[in-house]
Amino acid sequence: DAGVIQSPRHEVTEMGQEVTLRCKPISGHDYLFWYRQTMMRGLELLIYFNNNVPIDDSGMPEDRFSAKMPNASFSTLKIQPSEPRDSAVYFCASSSLARSSSYEQYFGPGTRLTVT
Amino acid sequence: LAKTTQPISMDSYEGQEVNITCSHNNIATNDYITWYQQFPSQGPRFIIQGYKTKVTNEVASLFIPADRKSSTLSLPRVSLSDTAVYYCLVGDTPGGSQGNLIFGKGTKLSVKP
Repeated sequence: DAGVIQSPRHEVTEMGQEVTLRCKPISGHDYLFWYRQTMMRGLELLIYFNNNVPIDDSGMPEDRFSAKMPNASFSTLKIQPSEPRDSAVYFCASSSLARSSSYEQYFGPGTRLTVT
Repeated sequence: LAKTTQPISMDSYEGQEVNITCSHNNIATNDYITWYQQFPSQGPRFIIQGYKTKVTNEVASLFIPADRKSSTLSLPRVSLSDTAVYYCLVGDTPGGSQGNLIFGKGTKLSVKP
């Protein structure tokens, strides 16, 4: 299995621009998570989906952030407009309790976002 | 949500056993304890999970006392490649609650030669 795939790996953009981060979960996994990691706040859960349906988006910082999962093999996290404080590493993870007896999430390599 | 407290950093030397303790005083009956490892520039990776007593796998052991208010991750004979951040998490099974995992800032383990 290729694991969780994220693109792009690095993104540099100017303040005010729209940013779209992409994630392909592991095939067969029915949970998908978006996290943000910064030095100050550590690793924070933004939103997660179960069977393509958003379950909890309470971690999404504000209305500038939105996430979609149009099908089981693709999800996007969009920031519009972007601000310098959005600079962070964004991770996507997926899991499936049905395929594992443990509480295991598989993380992608992350997207390092820099907003100037 | 059960909050966890763990040391910010720890130092060790190659070949030593490392024990990282995590406090979770408000752990609920249905909660499991899970540990993840994160290397620089990579996403976290699952190490081990347990509910009570002791769990051991090829990587680590997890010790959980009867009251479950704390847990200890034990790494036998660490090497330089074990230098990473280790996260202790508490949460119940999926089906809505898997999203309650709180990673926080973890414990930064530095292994020296």
